[in-house]
Amino acid sequence: EPEVTQTPSHQVTQMGQEVILRCVPISNHLYFYWYRQILGQKVEFLVSFYNNEISEKSEIFDDQFSVERPDGSNFTLKIRSTKLEDSAMYFCASGGTGGLVGQPQHFGDGTRLSIL
Amino acid sequence: GESVGLHLPTLSVQEGDNSIINCAYSNSASDYFIWYKQESGKGPQFIIDIRSNMDKRQGQRVTVLLNKTVKHLSLQIAATQPGDSAVYFCAEDSSYKLIFGSGTRLLVRP
Repeated sequence: EPEVTQTPSHQVTQMGQEVILRCVPISNHLYFYWYRQILGQKVEFLVSFYNNEISEKSEIFDDQFSVERPDGSNFTLKIRSTKLEDSAMYFCASGGTGGLVGQPQHFGDGTRLSIL
Repeated sequence: GESVGLHLPTLSVQEGDNSIINCAYSNSASDYFIWYKQESGKGPQFIIDIRSNMDKRQGQRVTVLLNKTVKHLSLQIAATQPGDSAVYFCAEDSSYKLIFGSGTRLLVRP
């Protein structure tokens, strides 16, 4: 069964440094997402991406964050200057094959980001 | 140790019993809902979904019920097994994003 893959599984970075989290969505999906989950809390939406542009973003997704689909398979989340409070699990998700609305999003296993 | 976060409600059931996990959603305009299972160290795993034009949908050992009048979802797991132990989240699809509930931890006693 196709799945969303994320790398690295764990990223440790000094505060103020840039970090790039990588995702390979399911190949025939058209919609791509990033979510984050602070330890012990619920999953929070960051950004959605369709047709090479951001569809929607949350208040968390400020100008320190950016997303990119550099080629036909990868989807990346960049944090320009990391803060301690960026420490969390970051999940990539993909969904939607362009047909019926209401198709589930499928999640990767996440990247644990630890800011020191 | 773990950092302080939201205290998850916990449901403890005997192996073989049925489990019912409840969820309230916020947006009466939401028209698509999903239940996810999250095991430790893993991402949310799709279990079952339901559209707002339905009030019940069944899968393998799982049933989702939707009550739009009171904005309530439930997930029923039949004959609960040790492998069902996880945190369960409901999510409402709200225009290009999912809004997750706070989750319920299911513990299955042998």
